[in-house]
Amino acid sequence: QQQVKQSPQSLIVQKGGISIINCAYENTAFDYFPWYQQFPGKGPALLIAIRPDVSEKKEGRFTISFNKSAKQFSLHIMDSQPGDSATYFCAASLNAGGTSYGKLTFGQGTILTVHP
Amino acid sequence: DTAVSQTPKYLVTQMGNDKSIKCEQNLGHDTMYWYKQDSKKFLKIMFSYNNKELIINETVPNRFSPKSPDKAHLNLHINSLELGDSAVYFCASSQDQGFRVFFGSGTQLSVL
Repeated sequence: QQQVKQSPQSLIVQKGGISIINCAYENTAFDYFPWYQQFPGKGPALLIAIRPDVSEKKEGRFTISFNKSAKQFSLHIMDSQPGDSATYFCAASLNAGGTSYGKLTFGQGTILTVHP
Repeated sequence: DTAVSQTPKYLVTQMGNDKSIKCEQNLGHDTMYWYKQDSKKFLKIMFSYNNKELIINETVPNRFSPKSPDKAHLNLHINSLELGDSAVYFCASSQDQGFRVFFGSGTQLSVL
């Protein structure tokens, strides 16, 4: 019930292309869905996040698409750049109280490589 | 100014030893966390504290003992280190539980 499944494990994209990473969750009580970006030797950094009451959120080149009925959400990176090469994690959390309050459940991560 | 800082960055030690990792946040957040990232890069929560009170203890062996002297600090002490404890440990903080969580740069623990 607490799992978040992420795909693909790795992704290679040409500069200027669109990178798409997908996540699926099981627990319908999740109410906050962030994406994190992690560079080697660094901690995960919050990239963009969405609540289930909207279907899309865009910040610059990064867009989250959210499908509540399918329990899926995805990250789209437009005009991908070599500097976007990193590991991306989707996550979900339950922020309505209970023993899991505030716990981020992460997907398995996607290693994105953008070739120049 | 580093928002969430943890020390040391690297920790290499022998099996059976006891070690501590320190964490401080200067964001004024009420909630702090410890996450563990294994060799496959999977991130999993270990503990969370809100205003020095333990909120989440994710069935971590009791060899791991977090201590929060004040809401800006959350240290992690590990007793009797085992090979399987080798991982990267991340401290994190947020103002509201679960929202906008900021991570430190990690402590890579290697148990030999």
